[in-house]
Amino acid sequence: KNQVEQSPQSLIILEGKNCTLQCNYTVSPFSNLRWYKQDTGRGPVSLTIMTFSENTKSNGRYTATLDADTKQSSLHITASQLSDSASYICVVSARGNNRLAFGKGNQVVVIP
Amino acid sequence: GAGVSQSPSNKVTEKGKDVELRCDPISGHTALYWYRQSLGQGLEFLIYFQGNSAPDKSGLPSDRFSAERTGGSVSTLTIQRTQQEDSAVYLCASGTTGELFFGEGSRLTVL
Repeated sequence: KNQVEQSPQSLIILEGKNCTLQCNYTVSPFSNLRWYKQDTGRGPVSLTIMTFSENTKSNGRYTATLDADTKQSSLHITASQLSDSASYICVVSARGNNRLAFGKGNQVVVIP
Repeated sequence: GAGVSQSPSNKVTEKGKDVELRCDPISGHTALYWYRQSLGQGLEFLIYFQGNSAPDKSGLPSDRFSAERTGGSVSTLTIQRTQQEDSAVYLCASGTTGELFFGEGSRLTVL
């Protein structure tokens, strides 16, 4: 079983609407959690990185939350734009371990 | 350059041929990762370099895959006797103690 599970696998939203992406993980001991945006045919680009003590972090219209107790994170996209169409990847790292656990991504399509 | 640079961006090869993929990390970054991304799949860890330490090769799928990092900078991923299942995007990432920066990837197609 993958250590990082993301849901929904894909979603379509209307331009201007909000959406929330979920990430559940089992990685332990936890070090940090990152959200990346990957446009089609491009490399992933970092949106946020959160450590154990951080509950929320914003980057423009992107807001990530972290509940380290329940091992859940969410990425909220506010007032979506067509350029938000991409795959959003949740990545979790463990303390003392160079390995990163990747989710399979949430595929978001924003339509006008 | 300012970012992680990978070449070639696209490579089409015949089954059985060898290929080399190159990664130029961001200057000063001690950590370098190679990942493979197949269509609709998450990123699959291949190999990790950290400074002068022995690389973590535990993700390499077979002995046809190898990687080097010369002088702690440029890295080359070599795939020998390519197979059709090797077709994927190969992503390189570099970083220090926190942030990880990805290149745009090398798309490999094995016919």
